[in-house]
Amino acid sequence: SQQGEEDPQALSIQEGENATMNCSYKTSINNLQWYRQNSGRGLVHLILIRSNEREKHSGRLRVTLDTSKKSSSLLITASRAADTASYFCATATTTGGGNKLTFGTGTQLKVEL
Amino acid sequence: GAVVSQHPSWVICKSGTSVKIECRSLDFQATTMFWYRQFPKQSLMLMATSNEGSKATYEQGVEKDKFLINHASLTLSTLTVTSAHPEDSSFYICSARDGSVSTDTQYFGPGTRLTVL
Repeated sequence: SQQGEEDPQALSIQEGENATMNCSYKTSINNLQWYRQNSGRGLVHLILIRSNEREKHSGRLRVTLDTSKKSSSLLITASRAADTASYFCATATTTGGGNKLTFGTGTQLKVEL
Repeated sequence: GAVVSQHPSWVICKSGTSVKIECRSLDFQATTMFWYRQFPKQSLMLMATSNEGSKATYEQGVEKDKFLINHASLTLSTLTVTSAHPEDSSFYICSARDGSVSTDTQYFGPGTRLTVL
């Protein structure tokens, strides 16, 4: 089963508006990361938040982490058409084989002019 | 910095043939590389974790004899899909972790789209 469930599955907004995506997970984590993927392309790392952090900012991105609720949110402020992409959360956990990432189901964001 | 390349970008092959996909870290040494598979409009699923000089660790449900992984150097890992069938058609993405820094960040390649006819 998926470690991370994201909602909404798809989101369509107007340029300039804010976009919020949520991610829930099931097990204890070392950190949580957000990635962007343009259609048919590889992943771009956006931001990493550690399990002992509650909020982190990077440019127009704001990420929160609530370990008690096992959830995280990604806020993109003042969205642009170029932000159109799929966004994935990924939880980092330690296994017998080392650290690994487990990806959520993703949110498809469309920013319209 | 921290660039990962994949070759080829896309490949079309006949059923029953084997396909090799290369993953290279261009400007850092990758002690650990990961291989993922992504079906259309779905998330990435980890297939295996590859440590340089040792056998890969496969995720549950991934056939190690079908998906051969070799990580012979600190900058190169290969995934060979043996006797490929149409159900193996997918987007294969590798990632690499920089062994020189203590971070969990993985750097992803651009992906390889495999289509098996």
